[in-house]
Amino acid sequence: DTEVTQTPKHLVMGMTNKKSLKCEQHMGHRAMYWYKQKAKKPPELMFVYSYEKLSINESVPSRFSPECPNSSLLNLHLHALQPEDSALYLCASSRSRDSDGYTFGSGTRLTVV
Amino acid sequence: AQSVTQLGSHVSVSEGALVLLRCNYSSSVPPYLFWYVQYPNQGLQLLLKYTSAATLVKGINGFEAEFKKSETSFHLTKPSAHMSDAAEYFCAVSRANQAGTALIFGKGTTLSVSS
Repeated sequence: DTEVTQTPKHLVMGMTNKKSLKCEQHMGHRAMYWYKQKAKKPPELMFVYSYEKLSINESVPSRFSPECPNSSLLNLHLHALQPEDSALYLCASSRSRDSDGYTFGSGTRLTVV
Repeated sequence: AQSVTQLGSHVSVSEGALVLLRCNYSSSVPPYLFWYVQYPNQGLQLLLKYTSAATLVKGINGFEAEFKKSETSFHLTKPSAHMSDAAEYFCAVSRANQAGTALIFGKGTTLSVSS
């Protein structure tokens, strides 16, 4: 298995809703990442988990809450989002070495109404 | 701090023409550099990576890139463009600090291929 699987592929949520994005990989990678990508822009790093511990939080608002229950699974819990949070949310994973490059999932297209 | 700059937000070529996408890096230490491609409504796919083993790196789909330390560049090339190469291309550098390492992307270059 050489894939990163993200679910759902599309999500529409209201500003008062609570939802979660899910990311799964079975490549034995020990680092996992959340990126946010707005249209016509590069991916922006949000969170980094290394060996299931949060190692980097790029000053992301608390309405985004990451969770890494085990080495294969990464969640992003969403609560009280704003319309400007609408974007493509990408998950990625890598072996722990920084020379490896990342494997990306196909993303969750989030629309906040 | 490590960073990359992509020169040219949009490049247009004819089918069969040379593709050249430019990327310059800034790093105080030998960097790890990457090129990714993104097709519409999809995730990113790794094209190739430079990890100091060889300065000329060959990737997938006929792409290659040359690391030039004297020019702090890592430009992506392909001898002959195909229509299927039309996509968004991102240069990226592995950023390392006390908190950990993470991949940081340039602003991207949109490649258009005309017949």
